[in-house]
Amino acid sequence: NAGVMQNPRHLVRRRGQEARLRCSPMKGHSHVYWYRQLPEEGLKFMVYLQKENIIDESGMPKERFSAEFPKEGPSILRIQQVVRGDSAAYFCASSSLPGLVPYEQYFGPGTRLTVT
Amino acid sequence: KNEVEQSPQNLTAQEGEFITINCSYSVGISALHWLQQHPGGGIVSLFMLSSGKKKHGRLIATINIQEKHSSLHITASHPRDSAVYICAVLGYGGSQGNLIFGKGTKLSVKP
Repeated sequence: NAGVMQNPRHLVRRRGQEARLRCSPMKGHSHVYWYRQLPEEGLKFMVYLQKENIIDESGMPKERFSAEFPKEGPSILRIQQVVRGDSAAYFCASSSLPGLVPYEQYFGPGTRLTVT
Repeated sequence: KNEVEQSPQNLTAQEGEFITINCSYSVGISALHWLQQHPGGGIVSLFMLSSGKKKHGRLIATINIQEKHSSLHITASHPRDSAVYICAVLGYGGSQGNLIFGKGTKLSVKP
């Protein structure tokens, strides 16, 4: 059973370009979470998605960032017009359908974005 | 002040030592996670707990909800335990995904 897959593992973009980060959840998981880890800082929540729905995007920057989790295919985190401050590790996690109790999240290996 | 504080920030131990990493939080929570981030950057979920104590191999996690404090213990530490250990809480009333993370404790176990 493959774990959470993220690609690419490393991505280099010039300022002003677009970055697309992909996350395939574990088999059977329908909930995806994106987190960002800036250099020398802790992880920060960005967005929580269910298939075709954004459940919580309170951690997403208001501009240039968007996320989707279509019915078919991976979840995509898209960053338009990247700036140097976007350089970070972006982690995706997934979980099965949460019930009344909190659930465990399984993390992907991360995508390290470098903006030059 | 961060909502989730970990101590110590850095910890060096000799192989075989008993290790304790602490996590204090200031918000009401529905669950607390302990994560391990390997030197290569990957993250593994070690425990999720909302009360009491859990044990997995040489790792033990405890939580005291009244005191808003959790500890992660490693018995008979080994160099392969060297990693960053991260505490994360799920705030009560927040969405299931909205974890609040501590800054991590960097553990180095020397042979």
